[in-house]
Amino acid sequence: LAKTTQPISMDSYEGQEVNITCSHNNIATNDYITWYQQFPSQGPRFIIQGYKTKVTNEVASLFIPADRKSSTLSLPRVSLSDTAVYYCLVGGRGSTLGRLYFGRGTQLTVWP
Amino acid sequence: KAGVTQTPRYLIKTRGQQVTLSCSPISGHRSVSWYQQTPGQGLQFLFEYFSETQRNKGNFPGRFSGRQFSNSRSEMNVSTLELGDSALYLCASSFNGSVNSNQPQHFGDGTRLSIL
Repeated sequence: LAKTTQPISMDSYEGQEVNITCSHNNIATNDYITWYQQFPSQGPRFIIQGYKTKVTNEVASLFIPADRKSSTLSLPRVSLSDTAVYYCLVGGRGSTLGRLYFGRGTQLTVWP
Repeated sequence: KAGVTQTPRYLIKTRGQQVTLSCSPISGHRSVSWYQQTPGQGLQFLFEYFSETQRNKGNFPGRFSGRQFSNSRSEMNVSTLELGDSALYLCASSFNGSVNSNQPQHFGDGTRLSIL
């Protein structure tokens, strides 16, 4: 299992850029890196996924160094509505079909 | 494109009863996974279905069961409900269920089940 480690919580202010780093030292060759966002009483929402280098979409960027042992989710100019739990997921183990392993995630709080 | 739809959104039951939850996946997705989320345990995998067959199962008792229909819609059943079954039950769909692909799982907003 490519176990992930990410900060339990982070604080930011509106308009700032937020970078959440996830460590996954045991990532396997075929593992993708996926980030989800979850608001209270809602299901996790897919944010971004990458394999290597940099991926950017309309809401975030994902930076992956060459050794792939970590990744950084970058949220540009956050707003109050970005307050949520962010999960970093990497691959799976054993019988992985349909099975995602969620850790505790990072609680991001954005202040006015 | 419609997202994953789960019904009902909220449900209140008493101990000993049984409950059935429904999940309609994104059109074209054939894999449906179920998760239980509680404050203490976080998100835990229940099982996954693909083409009407259960392919993977988490570490939950046999009271938790599921099925998938030919249109990929899925149901989850919990029998003999216990207080500890109170949780948010989430359904996720993906194209083929592989977690090592560029086809991520997409989640519904869940069914909040409360056991009295």
